[in-house]
Amino acid sequence: GDSVTQMEGPVTLSEEAFLTINCTYTATGYPSLFWYVQYPGEGLQLLLKATKADDKGSNKGFEATYRKETTSFHLEKGSVQVSDSAVYFCALSDQTQGGSEKLVFGKGTKLTVNP
Amino acid sequence: DTEVTQTPKHLVMGMTNKKSLKCEQHMGHRAMYWYKQKAKKPPELMFVYSYEKLSINESVPSRFSPECPNSSLLNLHLHALQPEDSALYLCASSPSGRWGDNSPLHFGNGTRLTVT
Repeated sequence: GDSVTQMEGPVTLSEEAFLTINCTYTATGYPSLFWYVQYPGEGLQLLLKATKADDKGSNKGFEATYRKETTSFHLEKGSVQVSDSAVYFCALSDQTQGGSEKLVFGKGTKLTVNP
Repeated sequence: DTEVTQTPKHLVMGMTNKKSLKCEQHMGHRAMYWYKQKAKKPPELMFVYSYEKLSINESVPSRFSPECPNSSLLNLHLHALQPEDSALYLCASSPSGRWGDNSPLHFGNGTRLTVT
């Protein structure tokens, strides 16, 4: 089945540092790709998404580009803040036999940003 | 503020208890989901309801019983749980749950369940 592999971390950065979290996927079709963020004690929030090759998703200074040739969707931010400390999940949409859609998640990457 | 509301936020129950988790959304979404998340792990899909019908059961043990009374509400009934069932239970919704929808899931903040 479809799967997502992301760097597991943890990742520790100083404020204003550059962030990259790698994510690659395997899929038989053309899934949509997502980054979700989970702050401590909360559920998951959509950070950004891309639905087709070469799409760039962006939000709150974060960006990720859907690269079909390298099957990747790496998350980047030019200057992280302490408030970005959270767990980041890469995910793809997968089709079930019944025609429904479900998300397949990577294992998550914990980011800590120090002042 | 999350648009998917889950209650209770915390629940402690014994292995012989019966309890229920509740989830509510008022975004007009027609697909609702239950996920289980263990510490430091990604969420694992348990059930999906699409248009109030159960469309996915990921081989979940029968001690977990989902119910979708209407398109805004989703319950998870718990009975005879084991300590290893302790986890964060997340509810989510999306517009239709149909393949190709490309709509993201909206998650609640979860119920932290402890089974003693």
